[in-house]
Amino acid sequence: DAGVIQSPRHEVTEMGQEVTLRCKPISGHDYLFWYRQTMMRGLELLIYFNNNVPIDDSGMPEDRFSAKMPNASFSTLKIQPSEPRDSAVYFCASSLGSSSGNTIYFGEGSWLTVV
Amino acid sequence: QKEVEQNSGPLSVPEGAIASLNCTYSDRGSQSFFWYRQYSGKSPELIMFIYSNGDKEDGRFTAQLNKASQYVSLLIRDSQPSDSATYLCAVGRYGSSNTGKLIFGQGTTLQVKP
Repeated sequence: DAGVIQSPRHEVTEMGQEVTLRCKPISGHDYLFWYRQTMMRGLELLIYFNNNVPIDDSGMPEDRFSAKMPNASFSTLKIQPSEPRDSAVYFCASSLGSSSGNTIYFGEGSWLTVV
Repeated sequence: QKEVEQNSGPLSVPEGAIASLNCTYSDRGSQSFFWYRQYSGKSPELIMFIYSNGDKEDGRFTAQLNKASQYVSLLIRDSQPSDSATYLCAVGRYGSSNTGKLIFGQGTTLQVKP
């Protein structure tokens, strides 16, 4: 079984540019999570979806961040405009709520550097 | 007060020893508790989860939960150098029948010296 697939794996961009991170959850999973990890703040939940509907976006840092899930197999996290403090590893994760409870599985992450 | 707290370490133990990792949480309504392992440059991977008070064993790993004290721990017996990683404690509001967000601690770095 393929795991959670994220792209790009690495991105370096200039301040002010738009960044789009992509995620394909594990097939059949009905929950999708976007996390951000930095040395200072650790692993923070940004937003999560259930059946493609955003449930909790209280972790989204500001209006520059937006996330969508147009269908069960695809989600995007967009940063516009990007700033150096957005540099972090962004993880997408998914879960099958009905059988595995809160067990979530992470993708390999998208390493973002904003210069 | 952080929602989930862990000592950042590093915790250093000799090979073959027992490593003890601890975690406290602030939300008394929490019902699910997880330990993830994260190697440098990699994504977190699930080691085990626990929902009920007491101990749960899986191979060399034992998770311990005390809801009254709001305390979770992970014991690693016969520690190996390959266990050297950051261990993340995660806490969820819901039990096994539902999924909600998980709040992660900062992680404890474990070093197992040969």
